[in-house]
Amino acid sequence: EVQLVQSGAEVKKPGESLKISCKGSGYRFFDYWIGWVRQRPGKGLEWMGIIYPGDSDTRYSPSFEGQVTMSADKSINTAYLQWSSLKASDTAMYYCARQASLSSGWYTFDPWGQGTLVTVSS
Amino acid sequence: DIQMTQSPSSLSASVGDRVTITCRASQRVSNYLSWYQQKPGKAPKLLISAASSLQSGVPSRFSGSGSGTDFSLTISSLQPEDFATYYCQQSYSTTSFGQGTKVEIK
Repeated sequence: EVQLVQSGAEVKKPGESLKISCKGSGYRFFDYWIGWVRQRPGKGLEWMGIIYPGDSDTRYSPSFEGQVTMSADKSINTAYLQWSSLKASDTAMYYCARQASLSSGWYTFDPWGQGTLVTVSS
Repeated sequence: DIQMTQSPSSLSASVGDRVTITCRASQRVSNYLSWYQQKPGKAPKLLISAASSLQSGVPSRFSGSGSGTDFSLTISSLQPEDFATYYCQQSYSTTSFGQGTKVEIK
């Protein structure tokens, strides 16, 4: 079974750093793009960027370029999303999601991880 | 950037109703259009890709149509488990999501 399992909920203060993870299993991790999607409380889905674990090729949404860093360690089938200095406005659920199939294009996502809730509050 | 606009933003319907959600792109996206279902507290789930291709395991009461700028998702006979929020997504030029359509019980 193809599965993405994300790290647990985080509570941080403004200005702190954070790195959350997304571990894939049940498939060749380095063959499929992984996307990250933000969902603020009660709001819709926002695409943040994608990373290809095979060579760490990364594409950011202009809205998130410079705000977050995506990385991957293919040796442990894990992708990461990190912040160097969190803001209250980063409070959201963050989902990772895999490219649906090798023929589906980079941005069709299936399956999704269960989400990581990040709360930033002083 | 390609903007995706869904309508309506919410709707109330009864079990057994036929429901149609529309999605309009600000420019042509060919058939690079997917639909996702999200239930409260859960991750989104891919229902349809390439505008009309039903994902494996998705009930046949779901269908998608359209090409270019105008698309629709239809649920032929609404079931209790279908009450959720639905999102369209274009993947023609990077990607972007619609704002969502919440389907509620009447």
